[in-house]
Amino acid sequence: NAGVTQTPKFRILKIGQSMTLQCAQDMNHNYMYWYRQDPGMGLKLIYYSVGAGITDKGEVPNGYNVSRSTTEDFPLRLELAAPSQTSVYFCASSYMASGSPGELFFGEGSRLTVL
Amino acid sequence: AQSVTQPDIHITVSEGASLELRCNYSYGATPYLFWYVQSPGQGLQLLLKYFSGDTLVQGIKGFEAEFKRSQSSFNLRKPSVHWSDAAEYFCAVGRSQGNLIFGKGTKLSVKP
Repeated sequence: NAGVTQTPKFRILKIGQSMTLQCAQDMNHNYMYWYRQDPGMGLKLIYYSVGAGITDKGEVPNGYNVSRSTTEDFPLRLELAAPSQTSVYFCASSYMASGSPGELFFGEGSRLTVL
Repeated sequence: AQSVTQPDIHITVSEGASLELRCNYSYGATPYLFWYVQSPGQGLQLLLKYFSGDTLVQGIKGFEAEFKRSQSSFNLRKPSVHWSDAAEYFCAVGRSQGNLIFGKGTKLSVKP
């Protein structure tokens, strides 16, 4: 019972490099999310998706891109990495019905350092 | 704008003592409220949720929370804390778009 799987768990990038954080869920959830967590700041929403082919910006989308070609996968792309993107990234999924937000299931996180 | 406030950044309690973590929310409609726990280096795990009905909600690990609309609060309680409860706790409010807005978290330390 995998749930939400994120890879890689750890990554160090140089300024200006690009990379993709992978996220997959096996619960057939329609909604998926990317949050970043910085010390003392809680979790901030980067992007979310309500279904395959549909994505929307969250609170802090600058410097990131997403796509959702399948129900299961929701990769997060970092272009031209900057030190401000050093953070822990969490992918989550939920089943949303009738306008009622459901429980979010989280992955274990991906710790990214940009030097 | 919707928001969640957790007034206490860090709380220390003795093992066996009672615990209350505070959460205040700002949300125009009927709130969907959640408490999550995060152990070091781990993802977030749902403790309990409130959608409607009984304002006292029971969760996992012996936790409960009470929704008070008049005070815009959703405080988390546990009658007797165990050393394994040391973690960071996040209160969140669910939006109609599906995503959650999180508070900044309260770190709980447990003294032996």
